[in-house]
Amino acid sequence: DADVTQTPRNRITKTGKRIMLECSQTKGHDRMYWYRQDPGLGLRLIYYSFDVKDINKGEISDGYSVSRQAQAKFSLSLESAIPNQTALYFCATSPQGSTDTQYFGPGTRLTVL
Amino acid sequence: EDKVVQSPLSLVVHEGDTVTLNCSYEVTNFRSLLWYKQEKKAPTFLFMLTSSGIEKKSGRLSSILDKKELFSILNITATQTGDSAVYLCAALLDSNYQLIWGAGTKLIIKP
Repeated sequence: DADVTQTPRNRITKTGKRIMLECSQTKGHDRMYWYRQDPGLGLRLIYYSFDVKDINKGEISDGYSVSRQAQAKFSLSLESAIPNQTALYFCATSPQGSTDTQYFGPGTRLTVL
Repeated sequence: EDKVVQSPLSLVVHEGDTVTLNCSYEVTNFRSLLWYKQEKKAPTFLFMLTSSGIEKKSGRLSSILDKKELFSILNITATQTGDSAVYLCAALLDSNYQLIWGAGTKLIIKP
């Protein structure tokens, strides 16, 4: 079973719609992250959470919001989707301590028409 | 502004060749540098480098960090078609544990 899961895996929606992307993990990690990936731009951090009560904006948080419902769940919302939010979205987790490596979910491909 | 730059952006070689991928960084509060391999989907972790001059190896892949010159290299020897992927490096910040990503090097291995 996958340690980090994302739903949905693919989504096509229209401009102005509200969209929620969900991420769940069974790794027991405290830290969770949301990234978007666009061709030629690498991964860009949207939001991150170091525990259930700690949520921080990343470099491109405008137009997005997040909710950390539990240690294992971290959801990303687009309140009113726009076409330039079309991208591949990844959730990742990492443990506290010295490893500092991140484990990625399979990604959600979102298309906003 | 924190940034990570990878070069080359793309590279095409033949099976059996050795390749070297470059990653330079300019970040405040540097903690570690990480390398990932991305094939069709999510990035998978390769190496984390924290200390200068200590080579990390995994099979045909190896990597080293130079904290004085602010760069890292990823070497792949005796390349195989399965090594074809985008290789990403990222700098981990000590202050807030954010990762600053490079744009990636797209490596294509021809049979």
